[in-house]
Amino acid sequence: GDSVTQMEGPVTLSEEAFLTINCTYTATGYPSLFWYVQYPGEGLQLLLKATKADDKGSNKGFEATYRKETTSFHLEKGSVQVSDSAVYFCALSDHTGNQFYFGTGTSLTVIP
Amino acid sequence: EAEVAQSPRYKITEKSQAVAFWCDPISGHATLYWYRQILGQGPELLVQFQDESVVDDSQLPKDRFSAERLKGVDSTLKIQPAELGDSAMYLCASSTGAGTHYEQYFGPGTRLTVT
Repeated sequence: GDSVTQMEGPVTLSEEAFLTINCTYTATGYPSLFWYVQYPGEGLQLLLKATKADDKGSNKGFEATYRKETTSFHLEKGSVQVSDSAVYFCALSDHTGNQFYFGTGTSLTVIP
Repeated sequence: EAEVAQSPRYKITEKSQAVAFWCDPISGHATLYWYRQILGQGPELLVQFQDESVVDDSQLPKDRFSAERLKGVDSTLKIQPAELGDSAMYLCASSTGAGTHYEQYFGPGTRLTVT
């Protein structure tokens, strides 16, 4: 069945460092791909999404490109801030739009 | 800003007892989702409603779990009887429509501990 695999954490970076969190997927048909973020004590929030191959989602300095050839949707940010400390979840929606699959989450801590 | 409300935020119950969680979606959101998130894992979709109708409940353990959204607004998820393995965070989300083009808005969750 459909699934998402993301790199395990925790990840600790210094402020202004470059961030990559890897995400790969397995899916039938043409899924949509998402990154969600969960800040401490808060609910999940949609960070960005891409609905077809080669689309790039971007928000708050984060970006991810839907790569069908490598079945990947890696999250990147050029310069992280302390306020980016959170848990990041990669997710996919199947081709029907009725099933959602989340990765296990990657905890990011940014230190000053 | 409108938010998805969930209650209670925390619940401790003994195994074999019944427990219920409540979710009030953002006003006007026709689609409602219940997820279970076990510690250290990602959310797992349990059930999806479109208005008062169940769209998908294939991952809902129906021998002990039930969900309803009688008037197509708020929703209740029930577990009876609770088991130790049910300890998890239960998340509710809502969206204006079903499908990938509609953003899901998540509530803060109910953390269930079964002893």
